[in-house]
Amino acid sequence: QVQLQESGPGLVKPSETLSLTCAVSGYSISSGYYWGWIRQPPGKGLEWIGSIYHSGSTYYNPSLKSRVTISVDTSKNQFSLKLSSVTAADTAVYYCARHMGPGIAFNYFDYWGQGTLVTVSS
Amino acid sequence: QSVLTQPPSVSGAPGQRVTISCTGSSSNIGAGYDVHWYQQLPGTAPKLLIYGNSNRPSGVPDRFSGSKSGTSASLAITGLQAEDEADYYCQSYDSSLSGSMVFGGGTKLTVL
Repeated sequence: QVQLQESGPGLVKPSETLSLTCAVSGYSISSGYYWGWIRQPPGKGLEWIGSIYHSGSTYYNPSLKSRVTISVDTSKNQFSLKLSSVTAADTAVYYCARHMGPGIAFNYFDYWGQGTLVTVSS
Repeated sequence: QSVLTQPPSVSGAPGQRVTISCTGSSSNIGAGYDVHWYQQLPGTAPKLLIYGNSNRPSGVPDRFSGSKSGTSASLAITGLQAEDEADYYCQSYDSSLSGSMVFGGGTKLTVL
């Protein structure tokens, strides 16, 4: 059974960098699939942030691309998200999830983490 | 403003049939990209409900069905049950700009 678990600080100060990690169990990241981040502001809808393949190939939401970096660590079977220059508008539940690929067209997320709330506040 | 438009809310009585629409454009659904649907129960992560426009993952009841036509897609739920009360999201791909996975704004289903 594939399981994903997000971890990271629940509180980040404005203008700083949000950093989260998603640990994957029950499946080796190196075996394939793409690994993505999605966020959901309180009471609002879902927004795709970006995705990565085990080779390091990345796809980013154009609206966030200038502030986002997604990386993968196959030795630890995990992948990470960094979002720079955060503001209150970045307060959200952040989910990690898996999709099949190749690329991002025609893709859907079949396994999701439980999500972690990140609040941006001083 | 979401690229994919869903009604904010729908409702129905137990046993009834409801549909949730997802309207896109020529750069996403109308361009032939697949539509997928997720169910999000309160306080939980989204769960894949329909993929590839009309396919159900293992374990999803056949009360749930999906369809797509032109620039729109629909999720139908028959034999409505109290446990179906949740938020539902459609998702596709949009080829404008550099390309992006996109979600609808979500629809709150209330079982009366």
